[in-house]
Amino acid sequence: DVKVTQSSRYLVKRTGEKVFLECVQDMDHENMFWYRQDPGLGLRLIYFSYDVKMKEKGDIPEGYSVSREKKERFSLILESASTNQTSMYLCASSDPGTGEETQYFGPGTRLLVL
Amino acid sequence: GDSVTQMEGPVTLSEEACLTINCTYTATGYPSLFWYVQYPGEGLQLLLKATKADDKGSNKGFEATYRKETTSFHLEKGSVQVSDSAVYFCALSVPNYGGSQGNLIFGKGTKLSVKP
Repeated sequence: DVKVTQSSRYLVKRTGEKVFLECVQDMDHENMFWYRQDPGLGLRLIYFSYDVKMKEKGDIPEGYSVSREKKERFSLILESASTNQTSMYLCASSDPGTGEETQYFGPGTRLLVL
Repeated sequence: GDSVTQMEGPVTLSEEACLTINCTYTATGYPSLFWYVQYPGEGLQLLLKATKADDKGSNKGFEATYRKETTSFHLEKGSVQVSDSAVYFCALSVPNYGGSQGNLIFGKGTKLSVKP
């Protein structure tokens, strides 16, 4: 079974803090994704990566950056957290090389910025 | 651009009732279509998918048929259980910069509550 893990289930941070959200997948997937999920808005893509050290902006990249130094790990960084970044953050991975488009999700990190 | 529209919830049903959650899409090309489910406090997990027109995806008693003529992928179950209470997301695949399929566009989700 594919396993996608996220470093924290719940986080509480202060405005202005730098926040790191970590995601690790154990299936050697090429693609990795970060989404945020908000009530009434569904899932919105923040950034994705289709290879090590590669990154592409999604629909809402402002205020976020990402890092992919190793194939299995994809980090989301909030350089200076703000209250409007309070949300549920979901990481996912997929392996398009096999023609498989299914994305596998982690359990999510619920972030509260005070 | 490509998009997914699904019926707004919440949907509340009694146990053993029939379920239909409507999903329609707009896409160029021939996307694959997915239904994901999110149980309370968890991430999303794939429920079923269909990769071409007239394909039927099925899992756990749920079904959906890829209808190209009506650009729809409605989720159905004949008899829901309390354990089906969750949020359901319809999604379609789009190409990413790598040239391969891999990005998904999601609908906004439909919350289902099943009462005993």
